[in-house]
Amino acid sequence: QKEVEQNSGPLSVPEGAIASLNCTYSDRGSQSFFWYRQYSGKSPELIMSIYSNGDKEDGRFTAQLNKASQYVSLLIRDSQPSDSATYLCAVNPDRGSTLGRLYFGRGTQLTVWP
Amino acid sequence: DGGITQSPKYLFRKEGQNVTLSCEQNLNHDAMYWYRQDPGQGLRLIYYSQIVNDFQKGDIAEGYSVSREKKESFPLTVTSAQKNPTAFYLCASSSPTWPYGYTFGSGTRLTVV
Repeated sequence: QKEVEQNSGPLSVPEGAIASLNCTYSDRGSQSFFWYRQYSGKSPELIMSIYSNGDKEDGRFTAQLNKASQYVSLLIRDSQPSDSATYLCAVNPDRGSTLGRLYFGRGTQLTVWP
Repeated sequence: DGGITQSPKYLFRKEGQNVTLSCEQNLNHDAMYWYRQDPGQGLRLIYYSQIVNDFQKGDIAEGYSVSREKKESFPLTVTSAQKNPTAFYLCASSSPTWPYGYTFGSGTRLTVV
């Protein structure tokens, strides 16, 4: 069974702060990792993808991957109330070059208060 | 614009009734997926299809059926055998090239009345 674990939260941070979201996974051979944002009542939208160890930055978002420790994290700098959502971590354990099914964590609910 | 269209947005099912949720994509993706989401739960895979005329059961396939007669279409039928069908249903497709990752439809909220 391929497990993806996230702190369910809720995580609450003030506007302008850094929000840190964490995710661990069980399959050591996992190749690619994704963060999705899901607003209440809406479908998930892809915000970050990463497959190499280290950091990947995109605007206010930074994904961090450590395959040896089997964790991936998402940092949101200068958090805004519009960032309030549930963040889903997803892992692709397939070793092939094409994407197979993703395994999702239960999500971390983030609230950014003004 | 390319994307995934799910319909209807809201669906009400009577006890003992089969209902079909539509999912259409114009992204030219081979792989398509159906997930179910319950409040406070993660996404659970119902069925997936990697190519036309082929599909596999996911983790919670009982009470559901699918077909994949066209690349663009992957409808899901919720049968009367599914005892607790009230949930948010999400259809997704995945790109075979980097950046990988799913594109989701807007979802169908199914309620049993």
